[in-house]
Amino acid sequence: DAGVIQSPRHEVTEMGQEVTLRCKPISGHNSLFWYRQTMMRGLELLIYFNNNVPIDDSGMPEDRFSAKMPNASFSTLKIQPSEPRDSAVYFCASSFTLETEAFFGQGTRLTVV
Amino acid sequence: GESVGLHLPTLSVQEGDNSIINCAYSNSASDYFIWYKQESGKGPQFIIDIRSNMDKRQGQRVTVLLNKTVKHLSLQIAATQPGDSAVYFCAEINDYKLSFGAGTTVTVRA
Repeated sequence: DAGVIQSPRHEVTEMGQEVTLRCKPISGHNSLFWYRQTMMRGLELLIYFNNNVPIDDSGMPEDRFSAKMPNASFSTLKIQPSEPRDSAVYFCASSFTLETEAFFGQGTRLTVV
Repeated sequence: GESVGLHLPTLSVQEGDNSIINCAYSNSASDYFIWYKQESGKGPQFIIDIRSNMDKRQGQRVTVLLNKTVKHLSLQIAATQPGDSAVYFCAEINDYKLSFGAGTTVTVRA
């Protein structure tokens, strides 16, 4: 298995632009997580899905952030409009269930200028 | 605040020595703990896990110890190698959420 696949690996965008991050979980995994990592705040859980349904989005910082999982093999995290403080590495992870270990993708490094 | 935290932010270890990384958690209801390793430019990588009905679990060169009485978790790495240099995170699953501590940076000296 190729593991969790995220795209793009790097994204540089101007403030105010829309940014879409993409994730393909490991085949057969039923749970998907979006995390944000910064030096100041570490790894923060933004939202997670189970069987394509959002379970908890309490970690989403603002209404500018939204996430979808239209099917079992694809999820997106969208930021609209983006701001410089959104600059971070965004990780997607998947697990077989909500009570098993999660496997992480390589991350998307987002820079908003 | 975070329910999972680490005692030390950095650890320097001589190659060949054993490493011990500590972690404290505050939620006594947590029943599943995981150690992750993160190398520069990569995502966290699963190392080993332990459930609350155990107090010790061993893997290849790694051992996780869980002390539920004092809510303490540790990761022991035997015969530390240069490839072990990374940031190590303890994480817990509580109410289906996987929460991470701040991380310990391990540097292996040749």
